[in-house]
Order: sequence, then structure tokens, then C-alpha cells
Amino acid sequence: GENVEQHPSTLSVQEGDSAVIKCTYSDSASNYFPWYKQELGKRPQLIIDIRSNVGEKKDQRIAVTLNKTAKHFSLHITETQPEDSAVYFCAASTSNYQLIWGAGTKLIIKP
Amino acid sequence: DVKVTQSSRYLVKRTGEKVFLECVQDMDHENMFWYRQDPGLGLRLIYFSYDVKMKEKGDIPEGYSVSREKKERFSLILESASTNQTSMYLCASSRTSGRYNEQFFGPGTRLTVL
Repeated sequence: GENVEQHPSTLSVQEGDSAVIKCTYSDSASNYFPWYKQELGKRPQLIIDIRSNVGEKKDQRIAVTLNKTAKHFSLHITETQPEDSAVYFCAASTSNYQLIWGAGTKLIIKP
Repeated sequence: DVKVTQSSRYLVKRTGEKVFLECVQDMDHENMFWYRQDPGLGLRLIYFSYDVKMKEKGDIPEGYSVSREKKERFSLILESASTNQTSMYLCASSRTSGRYNEQFFGPGTRLTVL
């Protein structure tokens, strides 16, 4: 069946450095790729998404890139801050309004 | 502002009990979802409903059932709770219209089965 692989499972970066999380998906029909952030004890919330007709999207310090040929998309966070510490999930859409989720990346920002 | 609420934040039940988890959304969303979240396993779909009285099995439906009698409410039922159902349960909703479907999550219910 369809799946989404997410790497790394844990990422530790120095405050101020950049962080990159990568996902690959298997369903070539997927056309929507959201990223969710889940802070400790809170619900997952959408932080950025990208549609299949776009290669890159930026929103302040975060950006997402999509390579449809390689079935690969990535989240980039620049100038990391303590409040970026969280678990990040990638997902890919299916044909029946569901999302297939990656296993999550725990991002740790070291002071 | 979309609001998804869940009936309990924390719940402790005994093995064999019947457990009801309720989710309510106030944005007239057609789709509703129940996920289970365990460390290192991400979000695993238990059941999905795309309309009132309609349901589809997700990846891990065994031991669970669902009910959707009204559009805004989606209930998850553990027929006979077992210790391996101790987990965080998240409800989500999304709309069908349009091609892209952001999911909005409830705060979660942490269920412990003793």
C-alpha cells in the first residue's frame, strides 16, 4: 500500500543553525503535501503545505521543496529558535481525502 | 476558526470495559478521522468517515468501531478495552470540497487501560 518514509527520526541542531527533514512517498497520484508541527502535549497543527504544481514554497523561516519525479519533499527551517523544538510530521494525500503520514521527526534545538 | 473538541483529555479504564471517545467539530466538515498516536509510529488511522453514517476502515481497525449519527460528531468505541489499546487518540476533521484537504485536530485523549 501507500506509505511515506520520514528521516531522520531525531534531529538535534544548534540554535541559529538550519534543520532539514526529508520525506519520500510512494503514491504517484499524491498531489498535496502538508507538514504538521506538534509541540509537547499539544495537537498537531499545519505549518506549511505544498501542492503538486509547485516546486517550492516559503513562509518566513520555513520552506518546503517538492520533487515529484523523485517522489521526495523536504522541510527546511532556517535560523532555528528554541520554540522550533517539537515533533514534525510530513504527509501525502490519497485519492479519497485521506493523508498518509510519516513517522515523525523530533527536532531538538540546543542552546 | 475551526474547533475540534474531544470529550476527555485523560481517561483510565479497566480491561474488558467498553469505552466511548467522542469528537465534535463545528465547521461543517464532511470528513472525520480517528488516529492513534504511539511514540515512533506516527499517526495511524483507525477509522475514517466521509459522511453521516458512512465509515471506512483505516490501517488498524481491529478492536475498534465507530459511529457517526450526526455530521458534527464522530465516536470511537472500544468494545472490550485491552492493555495494548493504551495510547493517545486524536480526532481530526477536514472538508471534501476542493482538491486539497487540511486536517484539523482535536486536543487528544490519553487513554490508559489497566
